Amino acid sequence: GQQLNQSPQSMFIQEGEDVSMNCTSSSIFNTWLWYKQDPGEGPVLLIALYKAGELTSNGRLTAQFGITRKDSFLNISASIPSDVGIYFCAGPGRSGNQFYFGTGTSLTVIP
Amino acid sequence: EAGVTQFPSHSVIEKGQTVTLRCDPISGHDNLYWYRRVMGKEIKFLLHFVKESKQDESGMPNNRFLAERTGGTYSTLKVQPAELEDSGVYFCASSQYLNTGELFFGEGSRLTVL
Repeated sequence: GQQLNQSPQSMFIQEGEDVSMNCTSSSIFNTWLWYKQDPGEGPVLLIALYKAGELTSNGRLTAQFGITRKDSFLNISASIPSDVGIYFCAGPGRSGNQFYFGTGTSLTVIP
Repeated sequence: EAGVTQFPSHSVIEKGQTVTLRCDPISGHDNLYWYRRVMGKEIKFLLHFVKESKQDESGMPNNRFLAERTGGTYSTLKVQPAELEDSGVYFCASSQYLNTGELFFGEGSRLTVL
């Protein structure tokens, strides 16, 4: 299967700080997805990107589809305690019917 | 509208026993997926149903795992006999459309094999 590497693996930040995380793929993707998993819940889609170079925002979250199509970035501005959770990137498999997920970036926000 | 529901939320069994996990997708979603996450690792794809048909089961680890989707509604994932390395959180997800990537996940079923 395809490899999706996320960095950093975990982050501990103060409330109010900005956060940046990224995801790289071993192959080219035509779609990049960012999901968030709250503690005890299933992952929820935050942002979907469908075009190389695309920059999309969802509130305080901004994600970018890398020009090389092998990477994507997620930024969170002015973090708040409810941003705590695990952030996963994902992209489609060759058939387009399945989606590969990364290893996740665990975010802890200290009030 | 009800979301994806999974049962049980947590199961603890001994090596060699059998466990069956159930998933009820969102009504009207033809696509149903099973994923598994072992702590600290990626959410790994297991298989994909379109209605009652297995579209892609390339991620199923071995023949100890059997997934079914009766009548294209709910799905079950049976592990028989369970091994220690089967421990993890099993997620079910459903979607209305293919290729958009918008999957709706359940809360997961945590399986612990002792």
